[in-house]
Amino acid sequence: DQQVKQNSPSLSVQEGRISILNCDYTNSMFDYFLWYKKYPAEGPTFLISISSIKDKNEDGRFTVFLNKSAKHLSLHIVPSQPGDSAVYFCAASARTGANNLFFGTGTRLTVIP
Amino acid sequence: DAGVTQSPTHLIKTRGQQVTLRCSPISGHKSVSWYQQVLGQGPQFIFQYYEKEERGRGNFPDRFSARQFPNYSSELNVNALLLGDSALYLCASSLAFGSSYEQYFGPGTRLTVT
Repeated sequence: DQQVKQNSPSLSVQEGRISILNCDYTNSMFDYFLWYKKYPAEGPTFLISISSIKDKNEDGRFTVFLNKSAKHLSLHIVPSQPGDSAVYFCAASARTGANNLFFGTGTRLTVIP
Repeated sequence: DAGVTQSPTHLIKTRGQQVTLRCSPISGHKSVSWYQQVLGQGPQFIFQYYEKEERGRGNFPDRFSARQFPNYSSELNVNALLLGDSALYLCASSLAFGSSYEQYFGPGTRLTVT
């Protein structure tokens, strides 16, 4: 039962353009959402997060948008750089109970120079 | 400052054997979580420990167990290994228990069961 879904396994974008990675969730109890980036042979690295009381959070080139009614969030990277090439995981948690993270299956982003 | 460290890096075991994986959290972090990442999937939550007590358990069989020591390091044990246990096992640490505390991941232990 996949509660967090990333339907695009891969995405290729030209350097300097915008990368948009999408994520959908099914559990209405989720109220905190995160994006992690993962390089080969490394653990996931925290990128950016958003609480359910917000609909947008920005950090430099990275912006996360949350649409609670659609149970959808997206990560925008502008401008995309070759160093951004990695697997991106969307994750969600609920503030009640254990704060374990539920991860999506990941999207492999390739930024072409 | 050192990040989350895990040992060993790689491990090959035979079906039916037992394995112990180790994790040292970031200095000052008191919570440790374990995740299993099967190839092509996202990490899946196994356990969370805070102040040496189990605070959460995912949907894994009783063959999986863990503990946290007074120095906040942790061990994950898996008994009676199955081929399906082959995966990357990730440890994450956070300052405390609660979703407002970011989880920082180690590089993982790659377990292969033959």
